[in-house]
Amino acid sequence: DIQLTQSPSSLSASVGDRVTITCRASPNINNYLNWYQHKPGKAPRLLIYAASSLQSGVPSRFSGSGSGTEFTLTISSLQPEDFATYYCQQSYSTPRALTFGGGTKVEIK
Amino acid sequence: QVQLVQSGAEVKKPGASVKVSCQASGYSFTSFGITWVRQAPGQGLEWMGWISTSNGITIYAQKFQGRVTMTSDTSTSTAYMELRSLKSDDTAIYYCARVVDMTTIARFDYWGLGSLVTVSS
Repeated sequence: DIQLTQSPSSLSASVGDRVTITCRASPNINNYLNWYQHKPGKAPRLLIYAASSLQSGVPSRFSGSGSGTEFTLTISSLQPEDFATYYCQQSYSTPRALTFGGGTKVEIK
Repeated sequence: QVQLVQSGAEVKKPGASVKVSCQASGYSFTSFGITWVRQAPGQGLEWMGWISTSNGITIYAQKFQGRVTMTSDTSTSTAYMELRSLKSDDTAIYYCARVVDMTTIARFDYWGLGSLVTVSS
């Protein structure tokens, strides 16, 4: 089974900060990696797919990079509405076992 | 606009079953699959499986094999997820989501707001 490990599990940041979240995959998943944002009481939101493609309607301050076993989600300038939990999800195993990472909670410093 | 409207909250006793619905609108229902994801209190997202709405083929996460059934009704553009033999740790919010490119870089681009299922004696 493919394992996804996100780090950190939580972080505190201020508005305007550059934030980077890492997702490590085992084994190699090429670029079959998506990122989601989830706020309490709301539906999760797809941000990035195929490791680096920005989903339509998502602000350009969000970006994704990586391939193989290490991936990053970067928020270039954190906005108040970005405080949420972020999850990576692999689709290398598609159509089976589409696992999520454990999540990274971004909190206000 | 694309919308996925889910059924309301349910309270069930251990050992019972629950069936959650997800009605789609704003797109061609059979052109996209539907997946189900749950989130237990204080936990992360957990993928449960998916259904091809064009041919009814289902694939379930190993954890739920034998206990979950996903179906769809193309006449009403509604997907269903039934979970049986409920346990207290099945207490969670259950989400449906639309699946894009299930056979390649599968991703979930539209989500319902979730249905809370509480399992308690």
